[in-house]
Amino acid sequence: EADIYQTPRYLVIGTGKKITLECSQTMGHDKMYWYQQDPGMELHLIHYSYGVNSTEKGDLSSESTVSRIRTEHFPLTLESARPSHTSQYLCASSDSTILASEQFFGPGTRLTVL
Amino acid sequence: AQKVTQAQTEISVVEKEDVTLDCVYETRDTTYYLFWYKQPPSGELVFLIRRNSFDEQNEISGRYSWNFQKSTSSFNFTITASQVVDSAVYFCALRGGGTSYGKLTFGQGTILTVHP
Repeated sequence: EADIYQTPRYLVIGTGKKITLECSQTMGHDKMYWYQQDPGMELHLIHYSYGVNSTEKGDLSSESTVSRIRTEHFPLTLESARPSHTSQYLCASSDSTILASEQFFGPGTRLTVL
Repeated sequence: AQKVTQAQTEISVVEKEDVTLDCVYETRDTTYYLFWYKQPPSGELVFLIRRNSFDEQNEISGRYSWNFQKSTSSFNFTITASQVVDSAVYFCALRGGGTSYGKLTFGQGTILTVHP
């Protein structure tokens, strides 16, 4: 069973608020990812990291930012939430020492911005 | 550019029926990896299988089987004797072998509903 955690699981917040979605993994994985999942199901990569102090933007442009100060922690921040940010956010990690390792996913954070 | 297409948006079957979920991919990489994930109502994605482009051998795991055909760029997933617990969204995904740094390209997902 994968050891990757996301908090909060559900968040309802008003427009303009700053929010941080937490993601932590205890597997020592170097690679971590953030996906945004539309209500229509499709997953889009919005951020990824190869290791500490490494972050890159993904395939889908996002107003969110991420940081990777510790291997196990990869938080995502929205400075000013808007209704268009309403979505499910999934965090994942993978083992860079294994060729084409699968990604392990957290349970997700369902964000609603009113 | 990489692309994964799951043409079936929704499939509905009755318990004990066999069901096949289609996946077609596009990539220019000669080395690549294909994955299937299951997303139950609880929300997390659960890894089911990984296949590399050099291994076209089909695989069976219990009631699950996968048919990988490079000639048609397909990686289809069959559930035999479906059960209600199989109800979930299923995603096919592709990872290139080059400088993709582990990034996955997902298909649109197929919602499978198994009725008792």
